[in-house]
Amino acid sequence: GQQVMQIPQYQHVQEGEDFTTYCNSSTTLSNIQWYKQRPGGHPVFLIQLVKSGEVKKQKRLTFQFGEAKKNSSLHITATQTTDVGTYFCAGNTDKLIFGTGTRLQVFP
Amino acid sequence: EAGVTQSPTHLIKTRGQQATLRCSPISGHTSVYWYQQALGLGLQFLLWYDEGEERNRGNFPPRFSGRQFPNYSSELNVNALELEDSALYLCASSLVPGNTIYFGEGSWLTVV
Repeated sequence: GQQVMQIPQYQHVQEGEDFTTYCNSSTTLSNIQWYKQRPGGHPVFLIQLVKSGEVKKQKRLTFQFGEAKKNSSLHITATQTTDVGTYFCAGNTDKLIFGTGTRLQVFP
Repeated sequence: EAGVTQSPTHLIKTRGQQATLRCSPISGHTSVYWYQQALGLGLQFLLWYDEGEERNRGNFPPRFSGRQFPNYSSELNVNALELEDSALYLCASSLVPGNTIYFGEGSWLTVV
């Protein structure tokens, strides 16, 4: 069945350092979405990418969708303590399958 | 505008019992999704309902079932509860199938 993997599983960074999480799908996706889940909270939508090779930015966050529409990445520049949480990608085919998530911890 | 609402917030059941969880989508949203999130783990896709019909289900045994009502609210039923069913059950809704989904706060199910 469809699988969506993310690496790394955990990432600890010093505040101000950059962070990247990578997402890989076993199947070609119609679109990919990114969500953030704060500790104790529920996932909150960040962005959706649809086109092959698409790049979108939200302030310090940069999202990319691979040319083959099977992988994606999220890069955070100059992390802040407010970036703490688990970042999930979610690949869409005939259902929305969430990746395994990357838990980000930022130390001040 | 009210978000996705779920009830109950917490539920404790004993092994072998049945649990029913409820979800009301955002007004106007016709698609409802159910995910299971075991403690500290990822989101496992359970079920997707749209316009009252089950559109897809994840790799869960048949004792996980649900339905969507004419007002688009939804129910998740888990029969013959097992200890490993203890998890946060998240409901989400979307306006257009496959588009952005909005999650509720979740229902914590504990099986003892």
